Amino acid sequence: GESVGLHLPTLSVQEGDNSIINCAYSNSASDYFIWYKQESGKGPQFIIDIRSNMDKRQGQRVTVLLNKTVKHLSLQIAATQPGDSAVYFCAVNNNAGNMLTFGGGTRLMVKP
Amino acid sequence: KAGVTQTPRYLIKTRGQQVTLSCSPISGHRSVSWYQQTPGQGLQFLFEYFSETQRNKGNFPGRFSGRQFSNSRSEMNVSTLELGDSALYLCASSHIPGGKETQYFGPGTRLLVL
Repeated sequence: GESVGLHLPTLSVQEGDNSIINCAYSNSASDYFIWYKQESGKGPQFIIDIRSNMDKRQGQRVTVLLNKTVKHLSLQIAATQPGDSAVYFCAVNNNAGNMLTFGGGTRLMVKP
Repeated sequence: KAGVTQTPRYLIKTRGQQVTLSCSPISGHRSVSWYQQTPGQGLQFLFEYFSETQRNKGNFPGRFSGRQFSNSRSEMNVSTLELGDSALYLCASSHIPGGKETQYFGPGTRLLVL
């Protein structure tokens, strides 16, 4: 099976600072990882993904880092804005289908 | 392109009743997955459908079932509702199964069981 954990349930940052949200997974066979953002009253919104043949991937203001040695995943948000306030989930896919195992989520709060 | 749509958005039922939730995937997407989200258990996988066939199933009792139609639309059914079934039920679609493509989520159906 797979278990996915998050290091911090809540993260508070100052507007303009960089945010780092961490995630750990258990199955070394996991090969596809996704970060989602969920705002209140909405479904999870795709942010960025990474496959196991990479260790870093960048998007607009976001970077995902994958360390397969220690089975750790992180999401970095540059110049955090109030609109980034939400719950962030990491999800892992390690099977032949589309079954995702989610972490517990980190609530990011951005202080003006 | 329209996103994943789910109906109804909100639902109130009583214990013992049954409920059917509907999901329309993004146009062209053929794989539909369902998840249950609760404050206590977080996001948990229910099942995945492709070509009207269930491909994966999570660890939920048989009261939870689903199906997919030829146009890729999907429904899930929960029979003999229990208080613990109160949750946000999310549907996600992706282009193909097994290709580990991005899954896009709908807004969810919030079910309250009284």
